[in-house]
Parts: sequence; structure tokens; C-alpha cells
Amino acid sequence: AQSVAQPEDQVNVAEGNPLTVKCTYSVSGNPYLFWYVQYPNRGLQFLLKYITGDNLVKGSYGFEAEFNKSQTSFHLKKPSALVSDSALYFCAVRAGTDSWGKLQFGAGTQVVVTP
Amino acid sequence: GAVVSQHPSRVICKSGTSVKIECRSLDFQATTMFWYRQFPKQSLMLMATSNEGSKATYEQGVEKDKFLINHASLTLSTLTVTSAHPEDSSFYICSVAGGSRTDTQYFGPGTRLTVL
Repeated sequence: AQSVAQPEDQVNVAEGNPLTVKCTYSVSGNPYLFWYVQYPNRGLQFLLKYITGDNLVKGSYGFEAEFNKSQTSFHLKKPSALVSDSALYFCAVRAGTDSWGKLQFGAGTQVVVTP
Repeated sequence: GAVVSQHPSRVICKSGTSVKIECRSLDFQATTMFWYRQFPKQSLMLMATSNEGSKATYEQGVEKDKFLINHASLTLSTLTVTSAHPEDSSFYICSVAGGSRTDTQYFGPGTRLTVL
């Protein structure tokens, strides 16, 4: 069985400061890892993914994430947060061997960026 | 990414009626579609997975007779909530995967269902 932990319910950061949203995972075999963002009353927008290759993945809107196999982590980062980054962020994992591609989502982390 | 639409975006219905929600993949052929529900300030709960032309596979605890899923084509899946009750009120979101974008699920904008 696969699982995802997002240890922080909420992250508060001032605009212009670095933003980090934490994610750790558990899965059998090689993980496929994803970050999505959700704005109020909207679906999820894909930010980035790690399947294989370089551990540092760059995605949309200036976000990046680093895959760390030894720590089973996939933290999302942005060097300089914007007020418009305030949203709900979800980390998700699927097993590479899962032919259905089913995702397991974390509980979500609310990011609040203050001006 | 892929463009996914859902219709309607909001629906209010009376208890006992049935509601159909459409999910469309607008720019690629989605061999697999997923349906989720999300309660306020909570994560997504997978309800079912469907492949085009096949019966949907439901997650444990999801009533297949209550939540009817039809994946009739590579661009359309429908979720019908039959005999809806207030406890079915939720945010329903579909996602699509397939073709050259097999690795990633792309999500629709969601449908807010309110059952009175």
C-alpha cells in the first residue's frame, strides 16, 4: 500500500521569502511523485512530477521539488513566494508498477503568503 | 497539460432525484478516467477508475449502484448520483490520463453538488 504524509496543515510565509511545503511518501517499488495546487472551489492544477532522472524537478510557476530517495521525501519549493501562491497544495504518489495509475494523495497543506 | 471540463459546475437538487455530471477531455484521448469526491478542507477520495468501454472499478466502500459511472468514449465520462441525499453533497472532481500523457492525471474544475 502507498501513503503520503504532509506534516504541516498550514504554512505561512511573507511575500518574497522562500516557500517550502513538505512531503514524505511510502510506496512499493519506484515511486511516481506529483505536486498539485488547488484554488478555492476549483479542481487541481498539475505543478510538477518526478518519474525518473534528475532528482531536482522544475515545474510551473517557478516551483521545484527535490526527490530524496533515502529520506523518501519530495518537498516542494519556491525561492520567492507571491501572494498569488496562496492555495492548497497536494502531494501525491503512485507505484510505478500500478497499471491503473491510481494516486494516493496527502492531506494537503494550506499555504498563506502575506504581503 | 490537458484540458478537462466538467458540467455542470454547480448543481442543487432535491433529495431523491438523480444528478448526472459530465467530464470531458478536450484535447486528448483519455483511456482512463478517475472520479473523486472532496469534502471541505479535506483531501481527495478516489471513488472509481474507468477505462473506455469497460465497467468502472470502484473503491472499497463506494456504492456502485448509487454512483453510476459510464466511460462511453475516449473523451467523455459521466457520473450519475442516483437518488441523491444530503450526505451526497460534496465536491466531485474528475481526472483523465492516457495517450502520451499516461503518467500524469489532469483534473477537471470540479462540480459542487448540494442536495436539499
